[in-house]
Amino acid sequence: GEDVEQSLFLSVREGDSSVINCTYTDSSSTYLYWYKQEPGAGLQLLTYIFSNMDMKQDQRLTVLLNKKDKHLSLRIADTQTGDSAIYFCAAPDTGRRALTFGSGTRLQVQP
Amino acid sequence: DGGITQSPKYLFRKEGQNVTLSCEQNLNHDAMYWYRQDPGQGLRLIYYSQIVNDFQKGDIAEGYSVSREKKESFPLTVTSAQKNPTAFYLCASSIDRPRTGNQPQHFGDGTRLSIL
Repeated sequence: GEDVEQSLFLSVREGDSSVINCTYTDSSSTYLYWYKQEPGAGLQLLTYIFSNMDMKQDQRLTVLLNKKDKHLSLRIADTQTGDSAIYFCAAPDTGRRALTFGSGTRLQVQP
Repeated sequence: DGGITQSPKYLFRKEGQNVTLSCEQNLNHDAMYWYRQDPGQGLRLIYYSQIVNDFQKGDIAEGYSVSREKKESFPLTVTSAQKNPTAFYLCASSIDRPRTGNQPQHFGDGTRLSIL
């Protein structure tokens, strides 16, 4: 099955850029996803990228995909205190048509 | 407004008791999922269902049971056999698109289960 890994914690200052990294193992993954979880809430889909793309930009969010290294990153430009949350990377487990989630990266934004 | 509704938001279980967590969606999604989230950890898959009247075990199914009698509903029962049930439980659903593979999951707001 798929295995997805993320670093656990990132702290940045307000206004800086944040970069959250993720690695996955299944090279047949087609779509890769980023989710955001605020305290006590469910997961909110932020963005996704198709595996034949290297980059996708959506307002302050940029997703970079290095398919050769199976490395995915999420860049948040001009990070705000409202961006403080846990960010999850997810990749398809094609064997059972479900998603495998990383352990989540807690982003802390210092004012 | 379409979405996924989980209830209750908070639930308390006594020793030896079974409790059922509700999950309803009006997105007309085929697939539904249950995850468990422990503090500081990611999501672990308990059960999933791609179609009505069919479901499969995930990675941590022991001590849990589910049913899928209607497309909209996928209730999760936490049985007394689950010795450590305290966690945040998340339900999700998705369109089943095996051809394109783009099937993001949409989540409810979760149920927090605690032991009395």
